[in-house]
Amino acid sequence: QVQLVESGGGVVQPGKSLRLSCAASGFTFTSYAIHWVRQSPGKGLEWMAAISRDGSEDFYSDSVKGRFIVSRDNSKSTVYLQMNSLRADDTAFYFCARIIVGSNWRGHFDHWGQGTLVTVSS
Amino acid sequence: DIQMTQSPSSLSAAIGDSVTIACQASQGIGKYLNWYRHKPGQAPEVLIYDASNLGTGVPSRFRGRGSATYFTFTITSLQPEDIATYYCQQYDVLPITFGQGTRLEIK
Repeated sequence: QVQLVESGGGVVQPGKSLRLSCAASGFTFTSYAIHWVRQSPGKGLEWMAAISRDGSEDFYSDSVKGRFIVSRDNSKSTVYLQMNSLRADDTAFYFCARIIVGSNWRGHFDHWGQGTLVTVSS
Repeated sequence: DIQMTQSPSSLSAAIGDSVTIACQASQGIGKYLNWYRHKPGQAPEVLIYDASNLGTGVPSRFRGRGSATYFTFTITSLQPEDIATYYCQQYDVLPITFGQGTRLEIK
């Protein structure tokens, strides 16, 4: 069955970096764009970034553009989110999600991971 | 960015009741709107896509309607497992944006 498993979360100091991973299985990885969505404590869902099926295009929200970089290794069926210059307001659960086949960002997220917690604190 | 405004932000209803959540977009988005359910500690799941289509395996007691700037999401015959937070989400233009969420509690 389709699985997306996030990892790499933890506690990090402000200004430092962290890399999250999203390992996929159970489907043809190269047919799907993958997105990152986060949920800060007590808040709602916030879209962060996306990467196209072949990794040639990436998309970001203004709140992370220039600080976060999304990439993928199709040989490992894994998407990464490199988070730099972390701030306290980046503290959140980070989810990766698969968007419907054939689309980079138009459509719905048909599968999500369980999320990984990132805490930015000194 | 397109702002998505959900109402109410929370509601309480009894088992068997029907509840409706509204979602208003700050500009027209056609039918490019989805509804998700998010239970604590779990992955969100899509219930309605493209404004009115049921997600795979989603019971027919969930219904979505609307277009342009105004959308509604209805649960008929509320069940205990419906305790969750519900979000609308637009994908007409980037950035993708979500409503602030509606927390549903059972009386």
